[in-house]
Amino acid sequence: EPEVTQTPSHQVTQMGQEVILRCVPISNHLYFYWYRQILGQKVEFLVSFYNNEISEKSEIFDDQFSVERPDGSNFTLKIRSTKLEDSAMYFCASSRGGTNEKLFFGSGTQLSVL
Amino acid sequence: ILNVEQSPQSLHVQEGDSTNFTCSFPSSNFYALHWYRWETAKSPEALFVMTLNGDEKKKGRISATLNTKEGYSYLYIKGSQPEDSATYLCAFGGYSTLTFGKGTMLLVSP
Repeated sequence: EPEVTQTPSHQVTQMGQEVILRCVPISNHLYFYWYRQILGQKVEFLVSFYNNEISEKSEIFDDQFSVERPDGSNFTLKIRSTKLEDSAMYFCASSRGGTNEKLFFGSGTQLSVL
Repeated sequence: ILNVEQSPQSLHVQEGDSTNFTCSFPSSNFYALHWYRWETAKSPEALFVMTLNGDEKKKGRISATLNTKEGYSYLYIKGSQPEDSATYLCAFGGYSTLTFGKGTMLLVSP
């Protein structure tokens, strides 16, 4: 069965450094998402992406965050200058349609900012 | 900020018990209600997506109902098994985003 893949599975970085989290969504999906979960808290929406542009973003997704779909297969999340509070599990997800279609999640990237 | 609440926060049952969880969500601007199962060390996996008031969905021993007018959904597990142990997430689908609840953590003991 097709799956969403994420790399790396773990990323440790120093505060202030840039990180890029990578995702390969399912090939015929059209909607792409990034979510994150800080330990012990809810899964939080970061951004949705459709038709090569951001369709919606949350308050968390400030100027330090950006997304790209550089080559038609990868979907990346960049954090320009990481903060301690960015430490979380970051999930990529994709779906065939809008919110009435189920999301397929990747296995996540655990980001630790020291 | 959308409020999606799940209860109970956690539940510990014996194998063979039936159980149910609740998800409450805003009754306006509703597009869909999702349920996901999230096992430890894995990624969330979709169980159901429901869009119509009164929808009922069933997958094996697991079923779900939806009431969009009053803003709640129930997830039922009949005859729980240890492999049902997981966190069950519901998510409210608005126009373009899903807002997740905090989840109900289920532990089923043999």
